[in-house]
Amino acid sequence: EVQLVETGGGLVQPGRSLRLSCAASGFHFDDYAMHWVRQLPGKGLEWLSAISWDSGRTDYGDSVKGRFTISRDNAKNSLYLQMNSLRPEDAALYYCAGSPNYYDSSGFHYWGQGTLVTVSS
Amino acid sequence: DIQLTQSPSLLSASVGDRVTMFCRASQDISNYLAWYQQKPGKAPKLLIYAASTLQRGVPSRFSGSGSGTEFILTISSLQPEDFATYYCQRLKSYPLTFGGGTKVEIK
Repeated sequence: EVQLVETGGGLVQPGRSLRLSCAASGFHFDDYAMHWVRQLPGKGLEWLSAISWDSGRTDYGDSVKGRFTISRDNAKNSLYLQMNSLRPEDAALYYCAGSPNYYDSSGFHYWGQGTLVTVSS
Repeated sequence: DIQLTQSPSLLSASVGDRVTMFCRASQDISNYLAWYQQKPGKAPKLLIYAASTLQRGVPSRFSGSGSGTEFILTISSLQPEDFATYYCQRLKSYPLTFGGGTKVEIK
């Protein structure tokens, strides 16, 4: 059974940092590009960042470029999101997701259940 | 960046209805589009990719069409479990933008 389990969310003050993790199992993690997507409470989905299977390519959405860093450790079947200089508008449910290739046209096949980030003083 | 606009934002329908929703891209994205279904408290689920290819395990009452800038998701006969929010997403080129969503509610 495919599982993506996000951890690391919580309450953080504005301007501080947080690191999210996503543990993968049940599929060949190192064959997949991985992504972070967030969803503000009661709102739609926002793609944030992607990383290729070998970490050779990364991309970021404009809202997080320069503040967030995506990384992965294939030996640990894990994906990470380092979030710095957090703002109140970063408060959201953060999902990790997997797609077969980095420049894929087949969509995000696998999703986690999300980890909640709250940014407040 | 390319924007995706979904319409309507809210759709009221009854079980058994044929339902159609739309996704418009601000520039030509060929057929690089996916559709997802999201139920409250759950992660999104991939329904269709490459604009019209049904993901494995998705019921055949779901279908997608379109290319370029205009895309359609159709549910041929709405079932109780289909009441949810549907999102389109641009694929292949970054950023992988999502549309704002269409919520399908019970009429």
